Amino acid sequence: GAVVSQHPSWVICKSGTSVKIECRSLDFQATTMFWYRQFPKQSLMLMATSNEGSKATYEQGVEKDKFLINHASLTLSTLTVTSAHPEDSSFYICSARVRTSGRAELTDTQYFGPGTRLTVL
Amino acid sequence: AQSVTQLGSHVSVSEGALVLLRCNYSSSVPPYLFWYVQYPNQGLQLLLKYTSAATLVKGINGFEAEFKKSETSFHLTKPSAHMRDAAEYFCAVSLSNDYKLSFGAGTTVTVRA
Repeated sequence: GAVVSQHPSWVICKSGTSVKIECRSLDFQATTMFWYRQFPKQSLMLMATSNEGSKATYEQGVEKDKFLINHASLTLSTLTVTSAHPEDSSFYICSARVRTSGRAELTDTQYFGPGTRLTVL
Repeated sequence: AQSVTQLGSHVSVSEGALVLLRCNYSSSVPPYLFWYVQYPNQGLQLLLKYTSAATLVKGINGFEAEFKKSETSFHLTKPSAHMRDAAEYFCAVSLSNDYKLSFGAGTTVTVRA
């Protein structure tokens, strides 16, 4: 399969501070990376789509100045929650789509990271 | 736009019994369909996917799903439940040209000993 990592796995911060979450594809190059947030007992909501070397595309209702996304390489995307507030507390999950592969079972599929639990006090 | 509906937010089965999780989709074009499993405080793991090849798709951990265009369904089944199958299951749909996933609300599976 394809492995995606996230760092940190959990973070607690004070209100008003910024938090950076990293998403890495470990054994493949990712054409596109996606960022989701998930509230307790709820489904995943897509926040933004990130393509290497270009600006992220945000879903309706997601503040791009608050959730800064940088996709610096084909294996790394970062999400920075700026001036975090308690309502930003959530489980943030990234996923990556395999760029190219000789294995058909890996393409057309998003592979998910383990998630980052953010708690803002 | 595409969407999925998962019928039943919670399914409880006995160990060894059939697991059936229902998913219906809505899409204006032939969709890609996925089932993912999520264990507590973890990310999502792909169980199986349908991308316009065989309509009966076999996945990991003994799960399989059948794409039925006439019923716009992609139900997930497993003949015999194990305790380790207790988790949250999500059905998702995407279009081939943008790969954005739209998730269902999820179904929580509990397995009784």
